[in-house]
Amino acid sequence: GAGVSQSPRYKVAKRGQDVALRCDPISGHVSLFWYQQALGQGPEFLTYFQNEAQLDKSGLPSDRFFAERPEGSVSTLKIQRTQQEDSAVYLCASSSAAGNYNEQFFGPGTRLTVL
Amino acid sequence: EDQVTQSPEALRLQEGESSSLNCSYTVSGLRGLFWYRQDPGKGPEFLFTLYSAGEEKEKERLKATLTKKESFLHITAPKPEDSATYLCAVQAGRRSSNTGKLIFGQGTTLQVKP
Repeated sequence: GAGVSQSPRYKVAKRGQDVALRCDPISGHVSLFWYQQALGQGPEFLTYFQNEAQLDKSGLPSDRFFAERPEGSVSTLKIQRTQQEDSAVYLCASSSAAGNYNEQFFGPGTRLTVL
Repeated sequence: EDQVTQSPEALRLQEGESSSLNCSYTVSGLRGLFWYRQDPGKGPEFLFTLYSAGEEKEKERLKATLTKKESFLHITAPKPEDSATYLCAVQAGRRSSNTGKLIFGQGTTLQVKP
């Protein structure tokens, strides 16, 4: 398919476990974003990559959250020592160009439940 | 602090009953305002981008407008398949801080009954 894909679609973790969420952006897209969406709320920005460079990580809620995009395509969001408040849908989006003015295309999200 | 507020939180319409959704924003340097549609269990789907006050865009039964303080999403003669959550988001900031991150409102959940 030509869209953004994410895996797994659903993840259940016990409190304290580490999780890794994967995003495959649209081929050739320069920009990649991660957002967190709590139930009934709009998405909130976590971090931004331009190619392999992480240019903005101001939205990461704690040092337990880490993201990478080593070859400028696939990205992984890792959450260490998960807490119940980490339960949310994690959305990945990609855009064909860098910076403002460009629409972002979203994947279906990964729903994380921390027990 | 940049802020986006959508109203109403929920809206129920009869099929064919036109209405408008509101998105108010307070940002430093608007670069773009975006409307997305989100169905349950799916990611947001892009609808429109507006860049300057006075701009309007249309797609089927939807029309988006922009002023200096708010945007409206007008829905004309809605159908049940228009039922979804509609999200408004802004890109803001100085050209030098050019990440393109979106600041979202909390969304308006629309239900259209046949």
